[in-house]
Amino acid sequence: EPEVTQTPSHQVTQMGQEVILRCVPISNHLYFYWYRQILGQKVEFLVSFYNNEISEKSEIFDDQFSVERPDGSNFTLKIRSTKLEDSAMYFCASKGQLNQPQHFGDGTRLSIL
Amino acid sequence: AQKITQTQPGMFVQEKEAVTLDCTYDTSDPSYGLFWYKQPSSGEMIFLIYQGSYDQQNATEGRYSLNFQKARKSANLVISASQLGDSAMYFCAMREGRLTGANNLFFGTGTRLTVIP
Repeated sequence: EPEVTQTPSHQVTQMGQEVILRCVPISNHLYFYWYRQILGQKVEFLVSFYNNEISEKSEIFDDQFSVERPDGSNFTLKIRSTKLEDSAMYFCASKGQLNQPQHFGDGTRLSIL
Repeated sequence: AQKITQTQPGMFVQEKEAVTLDCTYDTSDPSYGLFWYKQPSSGEMIFLIYQGSYDQQNATEGRYSLNFQKARKSANLVISASQLGDSAMYFCAMREGRLTGANNLFFGTGTRLTVIP
């Protein structure tokens, strides 16, 4: 069964450094999402992306965050200057049609030191 | 107000028994969708079941069924014949509004289910 792939599974970064989290959504999916889950807390929406542009973003998704779909297969989340509070599990999700569920990747655990 | 409320932080169930995980939601939009995801200790999020607000029948997927009570705004997950592999965190989530590409999900705080042998 096709799946959403995220790399790396764990990223350790110094505070203030830039980090790029990578996702390969399911082929032929059209809608892409990033969520984050701070340890022990609920999953929170960051951003949705469709037709090469952001559809919606939450208040968490400030100027330090950006997303890109550079080559038609990858979907990346960049954090420009990481802060300690960015430490979390970051999930990428995609869906094919509007009425289909979102399928999540296994997540990237980001640890900011 | 919370859009999704899961009042059970932890639940225990005997292997082979059925268990109900509670979820209530809050929306004024007539069009919405309700989802359940399973998160094992390894961390991935696994889609289990979906219920649309206009669906006439309760959703079922194998051992999972969704007890959808629209008037009460509840969407409880029922797992029948529990297995040890069902031990995980379970999240209820809602997609609010008509279907668009921006349909992000609102998640509850989750219920940790432990299946006892």
